[in-house]
Amino acid sequence: AQKITQTQPGMFVQEKEAVTLDCTYDTSDPSYGLFWYKQPSSGEMIFLIYQGSYDQQNATEGRYSLNFQKARKSANLVISASQLGDSAMYFCAMSLNFNKFYFGSGTKLNVKP
Amino acid sequence: KAGVTQTPRYLIKTRGQQVTLSCSPISGHRSVSWYQQTPGQGLQFLFEYFSETQRNKGNFPGRFSGRQFSNSRSEMNVSTLELGDSALYLCASSLGGQAHQPQHFGDGTRLSIL
Repeated sequence: AQKITQTQPGMFVQEKEAVTLDCTYDTSDPSYGLFWYKQPSSGEMIFLIYQGSYDQQNATEGRYSLNFQKARKSANLVISASQLGDSAMYFCAMSLNFNKFYFGSGTKLNVKP
Repeated sequence: KAGVTQTPRYLIKTRGQQVTLSCSPISGHRSVSWYQQTPGQGLQFLFEYFSETQRNKGNFPGRFSGRQFSNSRSEMNVSTLELGDSALYLCASSLGGQAHQPQHFGDGTRLSIL
């Protein structure tokens, strides 16, 4: 079965500190994509970062980086220098062939001033 | 470049009615996916259309159906509405021709069933 697991329902982080959101995945397909999305309270889903299963280096996008550990099947999101605007739900997702996506249950991040 | 547009943003219906939601993808995107999001079940995949054909399907009853037009716009229909259909319905588009491309989401349609 294909599956995405996010074990942290909620997290707190102090403003300006770094935070890691955990994500593990399960697939036997050699080719897959891993994504992180942010969903503020307003509801829209915002694409943050992508990692391909064959990519050798961890993906980075500004303050976001994806810590990809293929052997452990983990794809953790690291947000550096947290800002108040980072408070939101964060979803990890996996794509398989033919654009089939699987989403985790999400982690609610609260950034404290 | 315009993003994914979903209409309407809010909808109130009663049990037994049917509803049609619309999604216009980003220009050039040929894949459109639909998701249902509820507090209890999270984000659940409904179906995906690519070039007017349903390519993937989630585990929803036949009351949920969709279609895609030649301009890639998509509609989702829910018949015989039930209270449990109250949810945020999200549409996402992607280029679709290659594997593992990010989906870009609309703002969603919030459906409330009375």
